[in-house]
Amino acid sequence: GENVEQHPSTLSVQEGDSAVIKCTYSDSASNYFPWYKQELGKRPQLIIDIRSNVGEKKDQRIAVTLNKTAKHFSLHITETQPEDSAVYFCAAYNNNDMRFGAGTRLTVKP
Amino acid sequence: EAQVTQNPRYLITVTGKKLTVTCSQNMNHEYMSWYRQDPGLGLRQIYYSMNVEVTDKGDVPEGYKVSRKEKRNFPLILESPSPNQTSLYFCASSLGTSGGDTQYFGPGTRLTVL
Repeated sequence: GENVEQHPSTLSVQEGDSAVIKCTYSDSASNYFPWYKQELGKRPQLIIDIRSNVGEKKDQRIAVTLNKTAKHFSLHITETQPEDSAVYFCAAYNNNDMRFGAGTRLTVKP
Repeated sequence: EAQVTQNPRYLITVTGKKLTVTCSQNMNHEYMSWYRQDPGLGLRQIYYSMNVEVTDKGDVPEGYKVSRKEKRNFPLILESPSPNQTSLYFCASSLGTSGGDTQYFGPGTRLTVL
């Protein structure tokens, strides 16, 4: 089955800096790659997603890039703010099977 | 308000005592799923359902059962809970039958098995 690895496990940045979280996947048939944000004590919520026919997608300060050949995708957050502090999960989906990475705890210091 | 609800939110029980965690969604979603979240392991899928009466195993189904008798409800059943099932459980739903689109998560159920 699919295996998703996520790095780093923790990330600390200064407010205003950029943050990058990387994920790799093993199943070349995976075709949908969402990113979820989970604030402390809350449920995961989708922040951005990308499908395998697209290389990059942007939504304001958040962007996701996908490299199908290398089987990796990344989340980019620019101009980070303290409210971006949370745990971020990547996931890879194929044929009813959604596999999540282990998560990255992002801390944005004011 | 469109939402996924779970009950109970917190549960402490003992080994072997059957329990059910309910999940309900009011968005007319086809796909529903259960995950467990453990530190350092992310979210792991337990079971999913593509439609009424259609369920299938996820990544970690051992020790769990589900049913989908109605579109809106997808209960998770632990027939004989064990301490290794102590975890945070999330139900999720999505519009299509495949699960390959936005998943909306419930608030979570924190289960402790003594």
